[in-house]
Amino acid sequence: NAGVMQNPRHLVRRRGQEARLRCSPMKGHSHVYWYRQLPEEGLKFMVYLQKENIIDESGMPKERFSAEFPKEGPSILRIQQVVRGDSAAYFCASSPTSSATDTQYFGPGTRLTVL
Amino acid sequence: QQPVQSPQAVILREGEDAVINCSSSKALYSVHWYRQKHGEAPVFLMILLKGGEQKGHEKISASFNEKKQQSSLYLTASQLSYSGTYFCGTKPRGGNQFYFGTGTSLTVIP
Repeated sequence: NAGVMQNPRHLVRRRGQEARLRCSPMKGHSHVYWYRQLPEEGLKFMVYLQKENIIDESGMPKERFSAEFPKEGPSILRIQQVVRGDSAAYFCASSPTSSATDTQYFGPGTRLTVL
Repeated sequence: QQPVQSPQAVILREGEDAVINCSSSKALYSVHWYRQKHGEAPVFLMILLKGGEQKGHEKISASFNEKKQQSSLYLTASQLSYSGTYFCGTKPRGGNQFYFGTGTSLTVIP
């Protein structure tokens, strides 16, 4: 049973380019969370999605950031016109339901570096 | 609504014990504990669902005091492999966001 997959593991972009991060949840999981982690800091919630629905995007900047989780395929976090401050590790996690008691399983993360 | 953890950092010698605390200003419905090693993803340790519940995972155990809105993680006879940053996490009842605590950096030295 494959775990949560994320790709790419490392992504380098120049200022102004677009970054596209992918997350494939564990088999049987239809709920995906995205988190951002700055160096030496904790995990900050960005967005929570269910298949074809954005449930809560209150942690995501309103400009330049968007997320989707289509019926088929991975969840995608898109950052347009990246700036240096977007450099961070982006983790996704999946769970089988929306219950507060469900364990979230994390992917290995994508480390974004903006030059 | 981010839970506050204490201490922020602790250094132990192998075999020593440590306690990490997690406090929330909001009612806790469940508490999750994770450990993250440098450059890696957080790894789930355990979840506590009810006030007063205690759980154990090898020499790592935790308790959950629902009334005090806090949880504690106990590491006994620490091993080098316990080094990492420990996070508590919680999702409010009926809420969608998952809040991770401020983190506790634990370093075990020989």
